[in-house]
Amino acid sequence: GAGVSQSPRYKVAKRGQDVALRCDPISGHVSLFWYQQALGQGPEFLTYFQNEAQLDKSGLPSDRFFAERPEGSVSTLKIQRTQQEDSAVYLCASSSSRQTSNYGYTFGSGTRLTVV
Amino acid sequence: AQKITQTQPGMFVQEKEAVTLDCTYDTSDPSYGLFWYKQPSSGEMIFLIYQGSYDQQNATEGRYSLNFQKARKSANLVISASQLGDSAMYFCAMREGRAAGNMLTFGGGTRLMVKP
Repeated sequence: GAGVSQSPRYKVAKRGQDVALRCDPISGHVSLFWYQQALGQGPEFLTYFQNEAQLDKSGLPSDRFFAERPEGSVSTLKIQRTQQEDSAVYLCASSSSRQTSNYGYTFGSGTRLTVV
Repeated sequence: AQKITQTQPGMFVQEKEAVTLDCTYDTSDPSYGLFWYKQPSSGEMIFLIYQGSYDQQNATEGRYSLNFQKARKSANLVISASQLGDSAMYFCAMREGRAAGNMLTFGGGTRLMVKP
């Protein structure tokens, strides 16, 4: 597609519910990142994929968070047993090549998750 | 220590005037890139400008310029001739190393408000 597409745009979940957030990156982009942005703060890194391989998951806050990209394109971020502190905007970004000197990151519009 | 520091939570500027948004960074990696993003209320992260650590000249992109002072580890964004549409959150970010798989680390952001 022309840009990075994320769905749903908004999600309200009851505490304890499982949620799945989808990211459809720009076609052909090798690298895919997930970020979490709490209200009034900058985005924080969650995890990174190169094609289907999850090369860095150091930012995932707990084992309730799980991400996958099985075919190297669409990625899903799953949060199990949601808690109120999970309320945030979840941003996805993709990048076109393994090596880049400058630009490269394209962000989606994010999914705003509210846990009630 | 914070890797990216933005000390101005909020800034006002009169329409048509110039404004400088501050950013300082901390890294021991000699190769790094600095980015500025705009985030309007719609939530997407819009890339504005990039500066590489080895770039000899300050980056410019239209009304945006980056005042890069390497010894002071600062990378301030200058917006000339402010427009009402410039009202948004602005984030400074850094990538350490050159690989596309290296994550971005963001500052806390500055909210810019342009007055008519």
